[in-house]
Amino acid sequence: DAGITQSPRHKVTETGTPVTLRCHQTENHRYMYWYRQDPGHGLRLIHYSYGVKDTDKGEVSDGYSVSRSKTEDFLLTLESATSSQTSVYFCAISSGGGGYTFGSGTRLTVV
Amino acid sequence: GENVEQHPSTLSVQEGDSAVIKCTYSDSASNYFPWYKQELGKGPQLIIDIRSNVGEKKDQRIAVTLNKTAKHFSLHITETQPEDSAVYFCAASSGWNYGGATNKLIFGTGTLLAVQP
Repeated sequence: DAGITQSPRHKVTETGTPVTLRCHQTENHRYMYWYRQDPGHGLRLIHYSYGVKDTDKGEVSDGYSVSRSKTEDFLLTLESATSSQTSVYFCAISSGGGGYTFGSGTRLTVV
Repeated sequence: GENVEQHPSTLSVQEGDSAVIKCTYSDSASNYFPWYKQELGKGPQLIIDIRSNVGEKKDQRIAVTLNKTAKHFSLHITETQPEDSAVYFCAASSGWNYGGATNKLIFGTGTLLAVQP
């Protein structure tokens, strides 16, 4: 989607390895979010950020950490990947006025 | 915290018919209710939203209604077309206000809409 990119688009990793997913925006929006999407669960919030170095936990934050050192980048790290973290991960941005703009997603498989 | 339930999980309609998807929310403080459409292999895209001071909103063939007393809101699609086939998500937020609250969205579990030609 215009203004927001996620990388990588696909990744296969082994159990126990660290993984970092990147979200980059060119909209200068204050708010950024990481969600995971799983069948039967919809989209669940992992972490979010309301400014540089200001982050907070969402509903499914265990096993994940985030960092935001610049307005445009929001990183999601799986410190030690587990099979339960196999999912599609979406980043979203918001100016605070309501709607989100989502990225195209990262499909992560932990084997 | 907020909990959003969405029904049905799958919906099949004939082209030209109407489709209705319903959501309920638990937090009476919720004040912002968007709907997203997700096509295969893509991220969700905002199609319409409604705020708690409004009971209904329309945009061409789609409309959303909100009943704050019953804590439910619905998406209505009229004259459905094959390109309406997608997964639809409702969401609710109790953190929205002008001026930059975090606006965390809690999503429903999604409805797979199939429009048969």
